[in-house]
Amino acid sequence: DAGITQSPRHKVTETGTPVTLRCHQTENHRYMYWYRQDPGHGLRLIHYSYGVKDTDKGEVSDGYSVSRSKTEDFLLTLESATSSQTSVYFCAISGNPTGLNTEAFFGQGTRLTVV
Amino acid sequence: AQKITQTQPGMFVQEKEAVTLDCTYDTSDQSYGLFWYKQPSSGEMIFLIYQGSYDEQNATEGRYSLNFQKARKSANLVISASQLGDSAMYFCAMREAMDSSYKLIFGSGTRLLVRP
Repeated sequence: DAGITQSPRHKVTETGTPVTLRCHQTENHRYMYWYRQDPGHGLRLIHYSYGVKDTDKGEVSDGYSVSRSKTEDFLLTLESATSSQTSVYFCAISGNPTGLNTEAFFGQGTRLTVV
Repeated sequence: AQKITQTQPGMFVQEKEAVTLDCTYDTSDQSYGLFWYKQPSSGEMIFLIYQGSYDEQNATEGRYSLNFQKARKSANLVISASQLGDSAMYFCAMREAMDSSYKLIFGSGTRLLVRP
């Protein structure tokens, strides 16, 4: 199994507070992704990273920021949490070398509830 | 426009029977890859099978096979001899060669329930 861990696994937070989710990999993979999973929408890309300090937006990036200061860590921050950001968040990495047929490995997910 | 469409929100199948989960996709890229993932109730995402757009043969992995019809832009997952453990959410996903992010684009998923 790919070494990818997310923390925390569960979090309840109040509207308006900042929240940071962490994704840690031990595989030295270049590409890392943050997705959110919502019923009826599947997984949607929030942000991704293609190297240290190299990040870009996905389709649902509003209200989120990311940082990657080390190869192994990719942080997702909700600057001011809203109820619409209640979701399950998945981190993923793409195998090396990254190509068309490269499997993506997923963390176990973080269930975030904003009250 | 939705790039991956899974039109079956939920499906039932009798144990030991075969089931087909539908997936259609939309892309202007000539080179792309199609993936299926399984998500059991425990929540993890499990890779099942891959099909490349230039692959001439349909992909197979054990009881899983992919019915790839390029002209119709469909990539249906066939599970043979269903087992109770196959009850899960199933996601179809695509990666486009033109996309330098190598991201996977997912469909909305199909929840499969296997009846004993």
